[in-house]
Amino acid sequence: AQRVTQPEKLLSVFKGAPVELKCNYSYSGSPELFWYVQYSRQRLQLLLRHISRESIKGFTADLNKGETSFHLKKPFAQEEDSAMYYCALSTLRTDKLIFGTGTRLQVFP
Amino acid sequence: DAGITQSPRYKITETGRQVTLMCHQTWSHSYMFWYRQDLGHGLRLIYYSAAADITDKGEVPDGYVVSRSKTENFPLTLESATRSQTSVYFCASHERAQGGTQYFGPGTRLLVL
Repeated sequence: AQRVTQPEKLLSVFKGAPVELKCNYSYSGSPELFWYVQYSRQRLQLLLRHISRESIKGFTADLNKGETSFHLKKPFAQEEDSAMYYCALSTLRTDKLIFGTGTRLQVFP
Repeated sequence: DAGITQSPRYKITETGRQVTLMCHQTWSHSYMFWYRQDLGHGLRLIYYSAAADITDKGEVPDGYVVSRSKTENFPLTLESATRSQTSVYFCASHERAQGGTQYFGPGTRLLVL
């Protein structure tokens, strides 16, 4: 069965510190992986997807198939990065997304 | 963002009542989804639809009913609301040909007393 694990419920850092939000997945085939972000009381929006291999708002994520991970990283956190972050997985056979339980990032000034 | 809307945005109801949450999208996306968001569980898929008149169960379908008579609408009905259905409900849409990203509505906060 497919599963997404985000081990940290809360991650607190100071402004300017590096950030890494962990995501591990369980799937035997080739997954498509996403990071979605939800700012306070707003809708979820796509932050980035591994296929695009792009950097959005300074965030990057690399798919590591050997470790089955898709960690989200940013070298210097900003206060406006404070939000809920969800890692999600989709497979070629289905259009459904499987979400992790989310990590709340708090960036203190 | 205005392409997918949900109504009502907030709803308070009582146990046993029927409640319908509406979702409307203007992109003509084939796929539509309903999720519930709960602390400690993240987002869980309730139902989804691949096209008009095609629906399928997700991870937590019990107590919910959906229909998709038109491509743009995907209402979710709680037939007899229970307190455990207190949650935030998100609708989403997706078109595979456009890359697979799902686009979410603003959510409906439902409180069942």
